[in-house]
Amino acid sequence: GIQVEQSPPDLILQEGANSTLRCNFSDSVNNLQWFHQNPWGQLINLFYIPSGTKQNGRLSATTVATERYSLLYISSSQTTDSGVYFCAVNTGNQFYFGTGTSLTVIP
Amino acid sequence: DGGITQSPKYLFRKEGQNVTLSCEQNLNHDAMYWYRQDPGQGLRLIYYSQIVNDFQKGDIAEGYSVSREKKESFPLTVTSAQKNPTAFYLCASSILTLTEAFFGQGTRLTVV
Repeated sequence: GIQVEQSPPDLILQEGANSTLRCNFSDSVNNLQWFHQNPWGQLINLFYIPSGTKQNGRLSATTVATERYSLLYISSSQTTDSGVYFCAVNTGNQFYFGTGTSLTVIP
Repeated sequence: DGGITQSPKYLFRKEGQNVTLSCEQNLNHDAMYWYRQDPGQGLRLIYYSQIVNDFQKGDIAEGYSVSREKKESFPLTVTSAQKNPTAFYLCASSILTLTEAFFGQGTRLTVV
């Protein structure tokens, strides 16, 4: 199956700082999603972004499908942004997940 | 409220017992999925279904079984053949298999 790599694996930020999370994938994909897994384990949809750029408040995402990567930007981070961020790519009939970036925002 | 409901939230099972995890959706989605997550890991696909009465194995289907008798329901049975069943199980659905997926809140299964 397709390989999905996320970096960095762990990230610690001071509240108010900005960050960029990266997702690389090894083959062409039909779509790509970014999720935030909260401390209770639920996956919250952030972006459905097979290509282009989208913004939602302090978060934005860019996918460059031809170069097989996607970036998630978090600006002015807050403690509630803590958790694990996953990207998932869809090729054929299933989604493939990266191993996530664990983000800790400290006050 | 529209969404995906998984039950129970926590489940304890004795070794050698089968257990069934429930997943129900009222989003009128055709495709449904079961994923397994181990600590510090990403999600791995167990089974998926694109339509009623049809389902396909994912990457780690051994020791699991599913059924899809109704569009809104996709229960997962963890059988005694699953050697390491303790994990967090997540159910998802999407309109079609190539479209945006939405997840339930998960079931944490512990074998005691």
